[in-house]
Amino acid sequence: GAGVSQSPSNKVTEKGKDVELRCDPISGHTALYWYRQSLGQGLEFLIYFQGNSAPDKSGLPSDRFSAERTGGSVSTLTIQRTQQEDSAVYLCASSLLAGMLYEQYFGPGTRLTVT
Amino acid sequence: DAKTTQPNSMESNEEEPVHLPCNHSTISGTDYIHWYRQLPSQGPEYVIHGLTSNVNNRMASLAIAEDRKSSTLILHRATLRDAAVYYCILRADAGNNRKLIWGLGTSLAVNP
Repeated sequence: GAGVSQSPSNKVTEKGKDVELRCDPISGHTALYWYRQSLGQGLEFLIYFQGNSAPDKSGLPSDRFSAERTGGSVSTLTIQRTQQEDSAVYLCASSLLAGMLYEQYFGPGTRLTVT
Repeated sequence: DAKTTQPNSMESNEEEPVHLPCNHSTISGTDYIHWYRQLPSQGPEYVIHGLTSNVNNRMASLAIAEDRKSSTLILHRATLRDAAVYYCILRADAGNNRKLIWGLGTSLAVNP
């Protein structure tokens, strides 16, 4: 079956512009996670959704970052007024449920470059 | 949040076993130990997880120390496709906390 998909795969934007990153989770997966990975670093948790609600937004770096999920499926991560330090690979993952016993399936990521 | 410590890099020869260590001395009783790996230019993929007992699956084995302060991921016969960064992660479900705390992982090189 189809895995987690993300779009775009690459995005180059100018500093100060807004960007939207999209994640399509595996069908039927109720939990969805956003991470970012800077070059040569591990993953940094941003936010997770259980259904359409986000119980844990603790990882969002600033109020320029927001995310939403509609219909318990597609999620969008929005970064307003992008800065150069926002350049990273943004990874989305989904799991059947949010519990610790459920493995996360990752998408290929969106590489964001802010010039 | 409990942290994990892994060597930055390791090297193995093809078709030999590989033992990837992970220290997690501050692990709590409810933390599960998860391993993921990330191949070049790809998102991470799940490898294995466990709580107290050793675990085996088609990809690897996980050996957990009796005091749970360390664990070892075992690849029984390394292949070139196993070259990746391996992450050892603790995962707890305290309240609404569903996040994984990722370190820098171990970069595994496999020599032909």
